[in-house]
Amino acid sequence: GAVVSQHPSRVICKSGTSVKIECRSLDFQATTMFWYRQFPKKSLMLMATSNEGSKATYEQGVEKDKFLINHASLTLSTLTVTSAHPEDSSFYICSATGGLVLDTQYFGPGTRLTVL
Amino acid sequence: DAKTTQPPSMDCAEGRAANLPCNHSTISGNEYVYWYRQIHSQGPQYIIHGLKNNETNEMASLIITEDRKSSTLILPHATLRDTAVYYCIVRVSGGGADGLTFGKGTHLIIQP
Repeated sequence: GAVVSQHPSRVICKSGTSVKIECRSLDFQATTMFWYRQFPKKSLMLMATSNEGSKATYEQGVEKDKFLINHASLTLSTLTVTSAHPEDSSFYICSATGGLVLDTQYFGPGTRLTVL
Repeated sequence: DAKTTQPPSMDCAEGRAANLPCNHSTISGNEYVYWYRQIHSQGPQYIIHGLKNNETNEMASLIITEDRKSSTLILPHATLRDTAVYYCIVRVSGGGADGLTFGKGTHLIIQP
């Protein structure tokens, strides 16, 4: 198994609101889940790493109070963008390890966030 | 993780083999070479990985030079759907808990 889903696929919100993005491993239990962000014409940048039941580890420069990560089970991680602003508009992608090939990350389809 | 260098873009005719090079001259003995691709507006897709032996799966072949300082991803019969950005990533064995560092990759364009 190696299928990762994300919901929603795209979201438009007003500035100042919060948005929750779900990431699920559909056919395997994810030992670790990751969140990435991708701006237009740029490469993916790792935001944070999370393991079930423990606090996420954030990359330098990523505000943990703004990007809340909850990893409640071995198949679900959520990213909440709090008090979103237009500069948070981006493509958010999650990934998970624990699937078919050892130590290999399998990526979700991504969530396009647009903050007006 | 070791740094990789890839050409920014390549063209290939549909039906031909696409050969994508990657340099990783500072690779360590316990580092694997991974290849992913990202089709526009989608999440990256795992293709293949290897340590030092050549590898083949249903998607592609990976050729790693004997000194492991470079590798080539081969798509044997490219189709239009193979148009994507291809990323070569070096990472340590057992690094399942570590995030990936994506470079700029190679934008492969398959021409009809």
